[in-house]
Amino acid sequence: DTAVSQTPKYLVTQMGNDKSIKCEQNLGHDTMYWYKQDSKKFLKIMFSYNNKELIINETVPNRFSPKSPDKAHLNLHINSLELGDSAVYFCASSQAGTSGGYNEQFFGPGTRLTVL
Amino acid sequence: GQNIDQPTEMTATEGAIVQINCTYQTSGFNGLFWYQQHAGEAPTFLSYNVLDGLEEKGRFSSFLSRSKGYSYLLLKELQMKDSASYLCAVSLFTGGGNKLTFGTGTQLKVEL
Repeated sequence: DTAVSQTPKYLVTQMGNDKSIKCEQNLGHDTMYWYKQDSKKFLKIMFSYNNKELIINETVPNRFSPKSPDKAHLNLHINSLELGDSAVYFCASSQAGTSGGYNEQFFGPGTRLTVL
Repeated sequence: GQNIDQPTEMTATEGAIVQINCTYQTSGFNGLFWYQQHAGEAPTFLSYNVLDGLEEKGRFSSFLSRSKGYSYLLLKELQMKDSASYLCAVSLFTGGGNKLTFGTGTQLKVEL
């Protein structure tokens, strides 16, 4: 059974297009995340949702809009794609954190986005 | 601000021991994670430290000193399959979830 799944695995598209990436987790976790890993392999958080509520919103262009229809799903929609959006996007999930508590994040397989 | 430093690359011999260091300066701290990432794959959890000291898990150990802002990951009896990127990440509790801030990763190459 796949714990955190993402679709599609690869996405090649033209500049200016709009695209979506879907993520689902079957771990029963309350919190989900989107990360971007650039060509230098630097992994940076973009968004986090807890029980469908946005709790982390890093400095990300508003062309990126996350949507969480329920706590098992977190989708990422990107408008007007730019060359610089080319990267690997990872979805992750965890139990809700507690101050001083441990909550491991489980990552999906990633979506490699290439903007031409 | 958040600043996490790791060496970019390391090379070690199969069967040897290697130590990967991580130093951090962050506003807030709720633990430090180490993740392993093979090329083209997702990061996978290796270890977590929130208190000072050593945590051991099989061939992998991780150490934390909060006062020094320092952690290391120790890999023993290196195997070829240990060739991967090792990511140090500081956790900050944000309410409802932990925000992980990652270092740039250390690319470890294990040679015969």
